[in-house]
Amino acid sequence: QKEVEQDPGPLSVPEGAIVSLNCTYSNSAFQYFMWYRQYSRKGPELLMYTYSSGNKEDGRFTAQVDKSSKYISLFIRDSQPSDSATYLCARTGGYNKLIFGAGTRLAVHP
Amino acid sequence: NAGVTQTPKFQVLKTGQSMTLQCAQDMNHEYMSWYRQDPGMGLRLIHYSVGAGITDQGEVPNGYNVSRSTTEDFPLRLLSAAPSQTSVYFCASSYEGSGANVLTFGAGSRLTVL
Repeated sequence: QKEVEQDPGPLSVPEGAIVSLNCTYSNSAFQYFMWYRQYSRKGPELLMYTYSSGNKEDGRFTAQVDKSSKYISLFIRDSQPSDSATYLCARTGGYNKLIFGAGTRLAVHP
Repeated sequence: NAGVTQTPKFQVLKTGQSMTLQCAQDMNHEYMSWYRQDPGMGLRLIHYSVGAGITDQGEVPNGYNVSRSTTEDFPLRLLSAAPSQTSVYFCASSYEGSGANVLTFGAGSRLTVL
């Protein structure tokens, strides 16, 4: 079993839709969970991170962690074509190391 | 402020050849790391460094070598390239105290081994 499981998609939605991206993880020892966004042929860039359980909101994006079920979610409201990218979830894997999921490719079409 | 710079962006090698992927950062970050990205596998850690002169292995270190002689530079060496090393390689850096492991990535180096 991979430490962080993520459905690779692809996920295709119309502009304005609410997008839900999800990951599960298997190791409860670490506290930080993050979402990176990666545009085609570019390096990943940090989108959001959360500590422990609960929600964190930043504009149209909401990150949610449910530690009881080991579930990580990213919600995108009013999705835009510019949101089309691969979204990578990750958890801390030790000092300044990350364990990544496989990434979900999202396409938002006008 | 360039961030993390990787060279080359593209490279084609023949099996058995060696080469070095260069990585430089100008943010004075202590921590640097190399990941490879393969379809369906996500990003996997190859080697990392917590400071000049200190390196350690990650999840998939075989066939790769690293050194860290300065804070700024962290080159990745392929000793004898194999087709299984065809991948996109990303260098990343972060600073001590970024408990959330906020990595800054380079743009990537796309390597094909024939």
